[in-house]
This record gives sequence, C-alpha cells and structure tokens, in this order.
Amino acid sequence: KQEVTQIPAALSVPEGENLVLNCSFTDSAIYNLQWFRQDPGKGLTSLLLIQSSQREQTSGRLNASLDKSSGRSTLYIAASQPGDSATYLCAVRRNTGFQKLVFGTGTRLLVSP
Amino acid sequence: EAGVTQFPSHSVIEKGQTVTLRCDPISGHDNLYWYRRVMGKEIKFLLHFVKESKQDESGMPNNRFLAERTGGTYSTLKVQPAELEDSGVYFCASRPRGNYEQYFGPGTRLTVT
Repeated sequence: KQEVTQIPAALSVPEGENLVLNCSFTDSAIYNLQWFRQDPGKGLTSLLLIQSSQREQTSGRLNASLDKSSGRSTLYIAASQPGDSATYLCAVRRNTGFQKLVFGTGTRLLVSP
Repeated sequence: EAGVTQFPSHSVIEKGQTVTLRCDPISGHDNLYWYRRVMGKEIKFLLHFVKESKQDESGMPNNRFLAERTGGTYSTLKVQPAELEDSGVYFCASRPRGNYEQYFGPGTRLTVT
C-alpha cells in the first residue's frame, strides 16, 4: 500500500529565504508525482508534475526533483515571498491499474515579511 | 476556460439527513474524480468516473455514499444518511483523456452536527 509522508508538517521562514519541502513515498512504482498548493478555503492548484522518467521540473521560482528509486521528491522554493504562504501537498499516481492520486498530509508554509 | 466547479461551497446538516454534492468538471474532460479530506487526515481518493462509467470506486467508505455521473457531464455525490464522521472537505477533480494532470475544484466543506 502506497504511503506518502511530508516533512516538515509546518515551516515558518522570513521573506527571501530559499527553502526545501520534502516528500517521501513507500512504493517506488509510480507513474508520476504532482505538487499542489492549497490556500485556505480554496481548492488545489497544481504547481508541477514530474513523470516517473523525469528527474526534475521547473516553473519560475519552483523546482521539483524526483528520485524514484529512493522514494523521494523535493520542492525547492527560491527567494520566498509572503504570497507563497499556503499548504503544499505532494501526491503520487502509481504506474499500474487505476489513476487515483495518493496524497501526503502536506506542509504548511508561512513566509513572514 | 472555466475550471472545475463545486456546489455548494459549504453545507451544514444534522446527523441522519441527506446531502447531495455536485461537481461540474472542465468541459470535455472524460475523467472525473472525487476525493475527501477529513479533519487532520490526508486527502483520500473516493472514486473515478470515465465518462458516465465508474472506473474505480475502491475508496468509497460504505454504502451510504452514492456517486453518479449521468450523461458523462456533471457528477453528484449523495450521502444518505449522513454521520458525524462524514464531516470534511470533498474535492472533485477532472482530467482530459491523454493528459495526466488532474485539475481540482475548490471543494465542498461538509459539516455534520
């Protein structure tokens, strides 16, 4: 059974810092991994999707890496801003059978001005 | 292009009552998913439609939950009778054929008292 863990559960940093969010998964047989952002009372916004054959994806100040063999992904946020404050979720889709996403519990990020 | 929409945004009902949640996927998306997040837990998969057919309903907690997608457009999720442990946020997501990214709606917050 796939389990996804995110560390830390919460993180508070001053504006301008670079930071790394971690995601680990127990079953390396994944099809892809997706990072989401959730703002309070809002839905999930997809940030980056990494296919199992890829090592990393970049979008603006965000960079996500994937090490499938070790069951790990990291989300790197450069030069953090107060607007980055949100909960960040990672989710994996396995490479056989059905298409459901298995989510981690998320990292709650607060960036202070 | 309009995103995934869900109605209502918030519902408060008493234990034993019935509630129906609605999801309108992005137009043309064959795949529709329901997920939910109960207090303090990670987001969990409920079921997956391809057009009007249930592809995977392995996450449905029990027979008090009934999902439909008549005509392969919008979907409803009915909870009857509702129990206290059904409280949480219910998310809907859709995905077009051939694209692997799921697009999430804002969620419906269900409170059972």
